[in-house]
Amino acid sequence: EVQLVESGGGLIQPGGSLRLSCAASGFTVSSNYMSWVRQAPGKGLEWVSVIYSGGSTYYADSVEGRFTISRDISKNTLYLQMNSLRAEDTAVYYCARGPPYSSSSVPCWGQGTLVTVSS
Amino acid sequence: VIWMTQSPSLLSASTGDRVTISCRMSQGISDYLAWYQQKPGKAPELLIYAASTLQSGVPSRFSGSGSGTDFTLTISSLQSEDFATYYCHQYYSFPWTFGQGTKVEIK
Repeated sequence: EVQLVESGGGLIQPGGSLRLSCAASGFTVSSNYMSWVRQAPGKGLEWVSVIYSGGSTYYADSVEGRFTISRDISKNTLYLQMNSLRAEDTAVYYCARGPPYSSSSVPCWGQGTLVTVSS
Repeated sequence: VIWMTQSPSLLSASTGDRVTISCRMSQGISDYLAWYQQKPGKAPELLIYAASTLQSGVPSRFSGSGSGTDFTLTISSLQSEDFATYYCHQYYSFPWTFGQGTKVEIK
């Protein structure tokens, strides 16, 4: 079964750091494009970052220079290192397989992990 | 940056209705567009990718069309389980962006 399970969210003070993890099963993280998407309370979806299968990484302007996406092949896990956190980073963070999508790869989103930035 | 205009933001409809949601881009994105459905407290689920390809397992009452700058999600006959929020998503150029969302509610 294709599955993603996020962890690492919690309450953090402004300026602090947090690392989110996204453990995959049923497929290989390093062979896929993997994304992070967030959703502030009561708001819409916001794309955060993507890592290509080849290792290239891209970020939303709002997190560029503060967040780093990475992966551990041995653990089949995706990460999001978040530094210099701000109140506006408060959101549920989802990891996802893709895009792009194809008929041969089952799309998958994790259940989400809540990050609250507050003093 | 590609600006996306998704409309309407709120759609009131009845079971059995045909509904359409629009997504307009500030510049052409070929067919690099996906549609998602999200229910409260749940992760989004992929409905359509490449503008018009129905994701496996998604009911055939959902369809997508368009290319370039104008895209549409159509639900041919609204069912009770379709009341949710829908998002378009362009993955043509960075930064990738989502539409503002369309909440489909019971009329």
